[in-house]
Amino acid sequence: AQSVTQPDIHITVSEGASLELRCNYSYGATPYLFWYVQSPGQGLQLLLKYFSGDTLVQGIKGFEAEFKRSQSSFNLRKPSVHWSDAAEYFCAQNYGGSQGNLIFGKGTKLSVKP
Amino acid sequence: KAGVTQTPRYLIKTRGQQVTLSCSPISGHRSVSWYQQTPGQGLQFLFEYFSETQRNKGNFPGRFSGRQFSNSRSEMNVSTLELGDSALYLCASSPRDRVTDTQYFGPGTRLTVL
Repeated sequence: AQSVTQPDIHITVSEGASLELRCNYSYGATPYLFWYVQSPGQGLQLLLKYFSGDTLVQGIKGFEAEFKRSQSSFNLRKPSVHWSDAAEYFCAQNYGGSQGNLIFGKGTKLSVKP
Repeated sequence: KAGVTQTPRYLIKTRGQQVTLSCSPISGHRSVSWYQQTPGQGLQFLFEYFSETQRNKGNFPGRFSGRQFSNSRSEMNVSTLELGDSALYLCASSPRDRVTDTQYFGPGTRLTVL
């Protein structure tokens, strides 16, 4: 079955520390992969997306993600976390090429310690 | 540019009733997608409309329907409401394609079914 797995439900990091959020996607020849962020009481905001090409993708707010086909992973990273990064992060994959169904992971809630 | 607006922001209904939610996309955007977010099932794709036609559909029963008007505004309707329909319903718009373009999300409509 199509699925996106985010193994970590909740992560806490100290402000200024580095961050890595994990995401594993189901097998797909041409995965369309996304990371979204949702702040409390807000809608979603797209951080970055990957379709093809360079496996290291740069996004907004200093985030980047690396696509690794051999590990079916698309992990999100940030070198130095700010308190304002506290939010919930969702990885998603679109099945069926540029159309089809968009499947989300269950999300990882990020808390930031001062 | 104004963002995606959704009305109403909060709604309380009882089982068996029907409900209509409205979404006004960003000016010039022709693709409108709807998502359901619940604590149990997480984020799920409902459907996408483009140029007044449903272009994609997720795995939801026929009680969930939608439409899009010539000005790209969209409505979604849920008939015969069930308790499990209580959720945050998110609308997102994009210029043409919800996958290759960036989707912009509204703040959502919080539906409570009693």
